Amino acid sequence: QLQLQESAPGLVKPSETLSLTCTVSGGSINSSSYIWGWIRQPPGKGLEWIGAVYYVGRTFHSPSLKSRVVISLDTSKSQFSLRLRSVTAADTAIYYCARSDGSGTPDTFDIWGQGTMVTVSS
Amino acid sequence: QSVLTQPPSLSAAPGQTVTISCSGSSSNIGNNYISWYQQLPGTAPKLLIFDNNQRPSGIPDRFSGSKSGTSATLGITGLQTGDEADYYCGTWDTSLSAGVFGTGTKVTVL
Repeated sequence: QLQLQESAPGLVKPSETLSLTCTVSGGSINSSSYIWGWIRQPPGKGLEWIGAVYYVGRTFHSPSLKSRVVISLDTSKSQFSLRLRSVTAADTAIYYCARSDGSGTPDTFDIWGQGTMVTVSS
Repeated sequence: QSVLTQPPSLSAAPGQTVTISCSGSSSNIGNNYISWYQQLPGTAPKLLIFDNNQRPSGIPDRFSGSKSGTSATLGITGLQTGDEADYYCGTWDTSLSAGVFGTGTKVTVL
């Protein structure tokens, strides 16, 4: 059974770059059948779609974060990653990685990681 | 600021039915499939409905979805205490070329 696991530093200083990794186990990340995405949720607030990456490396990003976000795929490690630069307190959130059906747009996520809390503070 | 609007909260007694609305526009709900998620306290969201009205394997038929124009609805019948959760709609926004989620609805079972 496919599982996703996020990893990230729990604390990041303002203006620094946040790096998160999602490790995929129990299935192949190198498939046109799926798209791999990132979603976040600030404490006590709703879900925010961050972006997604196709197995060929094509990416989509939220317009509000696009200038600060890089999403990439490392099929050799069965991982995909999110880098968010110039973070502020507003980037404090639980970050989720998730899988989407590759036949459509990356907005329907059927498998999610457990999420990892990232706090931006000095 | 989400482009999809949901009521902040709803409540009902066990056994009753609740319907959660999700309002958008022609660039999102009006021309794309919608999905619904359930988020129990302290857990990751779980897919309940995809492609407007399809249930993934294992999701009981007490949960149903529909779409009309630029709005969508999630229905929960035979409400149970275990249904107390936050519910989110989601879809693609063609103008933004990005996914979008609704503002979320907290369902309380009285």
